[in-house]
Amino acid sequence: QLVLTQSPSASASLGASVKLTCTLSSGHSTYAIAWHQQQPEKGPRYLMKLNSDGSHSKGDGIPDRFSGSSSGTERYLTISSLQSEDEADYYCQTWGTGTWVFGGGTKLSVL
Amino acid sequence: EVQLVQSGAEVKKPGESLKISCQGSGYSFTIYWIAWVRQMPGKGLEWMGIIYPGDSDTRYSPSFQGQVTISADKSISTAYLQWSSLKASDTAMYYCARTRDAYNSPDYWGQGTLVTVSS
Repeated sequence: QLVLTQSPSASASLGASVKLTCTLSSGHSTYAIAWHQQQPEKGPRYLMKLNSDGSHSKGDGIPDRFSGSSSGTERYLTISSLQSEDEADYYCQTWGTGTWVFGGGTKLSVL
Repeated sequence: EVQLVQSGAEVKKPGESLKISCQGSGYSFTIYWIAWVRQMPGKGLEWMGIIYPGDSDTRYSPSFQGQVTISADKSISTAYLQWSSLKASDTAMYYCARTRDAYNSPDYWGQGTLVTVSS
C-alpha cells in the first residue's frame, strides 16, 4: 500500500536551515513526490516535484532557498536562510494507479 | 497568470444540497485536470477525485465515490463539486487544484471554499 510518512512537527531558528523528511512505504522507492506549503489560514502552495534521483522542478516564484533531494524511500525538503513566513505546514504528496496520497504534514515552527 | 478562483463560503443545514465551483483562468482550461481536495478542521489533505474538463472524464477516490459529484463546464472554464444531501461531517475546507496529468503533482491551487454544515 502506498503511504507517505512525515514527522508531525519540526523547528529551527530564524536564518538557519531545516531538512524535512517524507518517507515512502516499502517497495515504492522509485516514486516521485511533490512538496506543498500551507501557511496559516491559507490554501496550499505547490513548491516542487521531486524525483527519485533527486532532480526537481519548482513552482513559479519559489525561492532558491527551497531545494529537494532523495535517498531510497526518503524524500527531503531543505529550506535554508529560514524566514518567519516559512512557518507553515508542509505536505508531501504522491500518486499511484487511481489515487493521490498525501502525507500527514509537518508543522514547521521558526524560532 | 494562472488562477483558480473558488466560490465563497457556505453555511448549510444537514440534508441540504450544495454545489461549489472553481473557475480557471490564464491557461487552457480543457487540457488540465482539476482535482478536489478536502481538509477537515485541524486535519490534513485528502484527495476526493479529479476531472478532465476536455471530455469530462472523472475519477473518484473510493472514500468519496457516491458521496459527491464532480463535474465541469468547459464553456465557462469552471469545475464543480456537489453534494445532494449534506452531513455535519462534510464540514471542511475544500480546495481545487490543477494538474497536467490525472495522477501527478498539482501545480496551482485554488484559495479554498469553507463549507459549514450545522443544524
